[in-house]
Amino acid sequence: NAGVTQTPKFQVLKTGQSMTLQCAQDMNHNSMYWYRQDPGMGLRLIYYSASEGTTDKGEVPNGYNVSRLNKREFSLRLESAAPSQTSVYFCASSEALTGGGEQYFGPGTRLTVT
Amino acid sequence: GENVEQHPSTLSVQEGDSAVIKCTYSDSASNYFPWYKQELGKGPQLIIDIRSNVGEKKDQRIAVTLNKTAKHFSLHITETQPEDSAVYFCAALKAAGNKLTFGGGTRVLVKP
Repeated sequence: NAGVTQTPKFQVLKTGQSMTLQCAQDMNHNSMYWYRQDPGMGLRLIYYSASEGTTDKGEVPNGYNVSRLNKREFSLRLESAAPSQTSVYFCASSEALTGGGEQYFGPGTRLTVT
Repeated sequence: GENVEQHPSTLSVQEGDSAVIKCTYSDSASNYFPWYKQELGKGPQLIIDIRSNVGEKKDQRIAVTLNKTAKHFSLHITETQPEDSAVYFCAALKAAGNKLTFGGGTRVLVKP
């Protein structure tokens, strides 16, 4: 099992450009998440998907959109990138949304917006 | 909403010594508290978790303690080894909640 995979690993964008970060999991998990990680601020939830067909905003959703393409895949789109979106982005998945339990993280995408 | 504060932000220890990281949370309804370890260039990985119905949990050299009254919980690593060098994150989840709130992270350096 590959676990949670993310593409690309690195990306440099110019302000105003768009891109989609891809995430896939092979653990048959119901819930998936997108986080961003900035120095000293831990991990902040951007969007999450409780199950296939549903998505909800997290703590910092502005400037992002998501698609739960199927049970395996959850993509994050930046429509018009801004320097404030320079960050490391992590996708994660878990069996269920509520009640606690392990979240499995991908290796991350390091995004720089110039 | 929930707020989780984590201290210290960096911690340097000698190999073989103990390391302690402390977190406080604001929402008394939180009942699940995981700890994640993030090695350089990788995603976080769960190392231990505790629920509010217990006060302490151990797994080999790692232990977590929870004080519900004071709303704080701590990670204890004993007999530290170089491979314990990483960034550690605490988090909290409310009962019936659906979003983990993470602390700001602690960078631990174990000096040989």
